[in-house]
Amino acid sequence: GQNIDQPTEMTATEGAIVQINCTYQTSGFNGLFWYQQHAGEAPTFLSYNVLDGLEEKGRFSSFLSRSKGYSYLLLKELQMKDSASYLCAVRDPSYGQNFVFGPGTRLSVLP
Amino acid sequence: SQTIHQWPATLVQPVGSPLSLECTVEGTSNPNLYWYRQAAGRGLQLLFYSVGIGQISSEVPQNLSASRPQDRQFILSSKKLLLSDSGFYLCAWTMTGSNSPLHFGNGTRLTVT
Repeated sequence: GQNIDQPTEMTATEGAIVQINCTYQTSGFNGLFWYQQHAGEAPTFLSYNVLDGLEEKGRFSSFLSRSKGYSYLLLKELQMKDSASYLCAVRDPSYGQNFVFGPGTRLSVLP
Repeated sequence: SQTIHQWPATLVQPVGSPLSLECTVEGTSNPNLYWYRQAAGRGLQLLFYSVGIGQISSEVPQNLSASRPQDRQFILSSKKLLLSDSGFYLCAWTMTGSNSPLHFGNGTRLTVT
């Protein structure tokens, strides 16, 4: 079966750094994806890891450890506009190459 | 560049009425196409996916159906809507045979009254 876990909610202060964790148990693995979803809008793609290690994209970085079934999204220099839900998704080849999504973490950035 | 169009943006329908949501992708060929639903405050639920014209896989048995009459067109339908069909419906695409991410349309917010 497939299971992806994320914290439900997090709060951080403008200018700070926040780390959003994601753990997964899936039958197969062909990449881990992070999405940002503002309230009432569609998810937008942020980052992607298929190999272990850190991928950096400006203020956002994502880390993957396949042996631990673990990833995190690191957001630096938080801005008010970063208040959104962050979704972790795994592409599972045993699931028809489909994407299994976690429940999402709602991040509130306070002034 | 590739773009995905989904319409309508919002829809209010009475219980028992039919439904048709449409999605088209431009700038790519033979994409994998997906329909997801997101209930208020919940995660994304995969409803249907398609790897080619006329090929539809259903993930959740319910009163919804999907069709892919053309390579880049994906339609979600229902003959009779239920109250529980209310939600945010998202069409998405990805390139076949690669590790490319899912790209979502803007979504349709459906309210069944």
